[in-house]
Amino acid sequence: GNSVTQMEGPVTLSEEAFLTINCTYTATGYPSLFWYVQYPGEGLQLLLKATKADDKGSNKGFEATYRKETTSFHLEKGSVQVSDSAVYFCALRRDSGNTPLVFGKGTRLSVIA
Amino acid sequence: GAVVSQHPSRVICKSGTSVKIECRSLDFQATTMFWYRQFPKQSLMLMATSNEGSKATYEQGVEKDKFLINHASLTLSTLTVTSAHPEDSSFYICSASGGFQETQYFGPGTRLLVL
Repeated sequence: GNSVTQMEGPVTLSEEAFLTINCTYTATGYPSLFWYVQYPGEGLQLLLKATKADDKGSNKGFEATYRKETTSFHLEKGSVQVSDSAVYFCALRRDSGNTPLVFGKGTRLSVIA
Repeated sequence: GAVVSQHPSRVICKSGTSVKIECRSLDFQATTMFWYRQFPKQSLMLMATSNEGSKATYEQGVEKDKFLINHASLTLSTLTVTSAHPEDSSFYICSASGGFQETQYFGPGTRLLVL
């Protein structure tokens, strides 16, 4: 079946450090891939997405590239800020917008000044 | 972006009572809504998919008679936890989708504690 595996946290970084959160997936066909972020006390927000191989999603300095050969969608940011502290979820969606997302377990990021 | 609300945000109830959670899409019509459950430090697990005007499709292992889902309009879906027990304590999250290529928007979640 479809599944998403992401690195376990928590991840603690100093401000301006480089961030990588690994995500790999197992799926049939060609899923769309997503990163969602959940700030404390808030709902999940879409951070970025990619719908086909070699696509790069980017937003707010974060980026991730859809790598079909390695079935990966690692999240990166060159210089994190304290405000980036949140839980990050990698997810896939097999078909259309009317099909549910399959989530990884989430990775908690804490950025300290 | 689009907004999805949930009410209540937090509820504490006694064992054996029923609890209703509302999920509303505030500025778009949601043809499909999803209900997820999240345990501490765990991923979101899909409970059911709800299409407006039709019966919800439940995931394997989710009791449809215990978790009643109603999607009566394009902006509202409700999840009722019937005869709640302590093991039903969890974080319940809904999401809404407007169509084929639409992004899913998530509500802020409802934390249920059954005593």
